[in-house]
Amino acid sequence: RKEVEQDPGPFNVPEGATVAFNCTYSNSASQSFFWYRQDCRKEPKLLMSVYSSGNEDGRFTAQLNRASQYISLLIRDSKLSDSATYLCVVSREKAAGNKLTFGGGTRVLVKP
Amino acid sequence: EAGVTQFPSHSVIEKGQTVTLRCDPISGHDNLYWYRRVMGKEIKFLLHFVKESKQDESGMPNNRFLAERTGGTYSTLKVQPAELEDSGVYFCASSQDRWESGSQYNEQFFGPGTRLTVL
Repeated sequence: RKEVEQDPGPFNVPEGATVAFNCTYSNSASQSFFWYRQDCRKEPKLLMSVYSSGNEDGRFTAQLNRASQYISLLIRDSKLSDSATYLCVVSREKAAGNKLTFGGGTRVLVKP
Repeated sequence: EAGVTQFPSHSVIEKGQTVTLRCDPISGHDNLYWYRRVMGKEIKFLLHFVKESKQDESGMPNNRFLAERTGGTYSTLKVQPAELEDSGVYFCASSQDRWESGSQYNEQFFGPGTRLTVL
């Protein structure tokens, strides 16, 4: 079983709609959680950090459920530019030495 | 402020040859990480430097891989001799621990990667 699991998608989303997807992690000792965005043939870019129960940044909301060991990402009012692969990333530590464990990514396609 | 840079962006070599990848972290970042993505798989951790010291090299696949960070600035990752299964994208990331409300946090920022193809 993979340590971080994601639905690979693609999620086809009409422009302006809301999309949400989850990520599950298997290691209950995980402390830090991140969503990265990766465009085709580019590097992962940090979208959001989730250190407590959740985080909101503009149209993006991340929620953490430690009891069920999943993290969700919700995108409101989707833009064409939101089309990308969203990587769920976890770490066992908050600080130094926090090697990251990546999920395989969820692909989102926003269409006009 | 300049981000993480990596060189070269692409490298095509033959099996058995040697390749050296370079990473320049964000200025002032003590933590430097190497990751790799092979075709069809998720990104995986290779190793972590704190300044010039190897903090964790549990992800290094075998002794054909050698990473260095002399002086605690830029880092190199050498593959010698390269094998077909070494093909993939090698990412470098850097971070600096920060303190907020009494807790320590750390976010990693990635370079553009080096796409290595071994023929």
